[in-house]
Amino acid sequence: GNSVTQMEGPVTLSEEAFLTINCTYTATGYPSLFWYVQYPGEGLQLLLKATKADDKGSNKGFEATYRKETTSFHLEKGSVQVSDSAVYFCALSDKTGNQFYFGTGTSLTVIP
Amino acid sequence: DAGITQSPRHKVTETGTPVTLRCHQTENHRYMYWYRQDPGHGLRLIHYSYGVKDTDKGEVSDGYSVSRSKTEDFLLTLESATSSQTSVYFCAIDRGLDTDTQYFGPGTRLTVL
Repeated sequence: GNSVTQMEGPVTLSEEAFLTINCTYTATGYPSLFWYVQYPGEGLQLLLKATKADDKGSNKGFEATYRKETTSFHLEKGSVQVSDSAVYFCALSDKTGNQFYFGTGTSLTVIP
Repeated sequence: DAGITQSPRHKVTETGTPVTLRCHQTENHRYMYWYRQDPGHGLRLIHYSYGVKDTDKGEVSDGYSVSRSKTEDFLLTLESATSSQTSVYFCAIDRGLDTDTQYFGPGTRLTVL
């Protein structure tokens, strides 16, 4: 079956620190992979995505590379800001039934 | 902005009462989804719809029903609410413009006492 596993939180970083949030997946076929971000009291917003192996998604300084050999899609940012404090969700779509599978979310807090 | 609204945004109700949550979209997209979000579980699919009157169950459909009588509205009903259904409920659409990407509404926080 399809599933997503992401690192447990919460994660607390100082401003300008390097961020990595690990995400691995299990899927049949060739899924699309996504990172969503949820700010307090809001819905999920698409942060970035990749639709095939070796694709790199990027947005707002965040990056993630679709690694088929390690079934991973780790989220990285070189220098986090206080405004990046949010919950980050890794997700996959198997492209067959228009269904998404989400990780449990990783809470990030960035302190000045 | 994906043009999705949810109502109500907050609701407190008592065990055993019926509750209906509404998701409204302004762009006439075919696919709509209902999720619940709970700590430690991420988002879990309740039901989804692939057109007017066409719906299917998701991972956690027990205790929920849905209806879609027109393209823009997707209703989620809890026939007899239980405390285990206290959660935050999100509606999502698939715009179809991007490859299978879902866009989410602002959520409804439901508390069942």
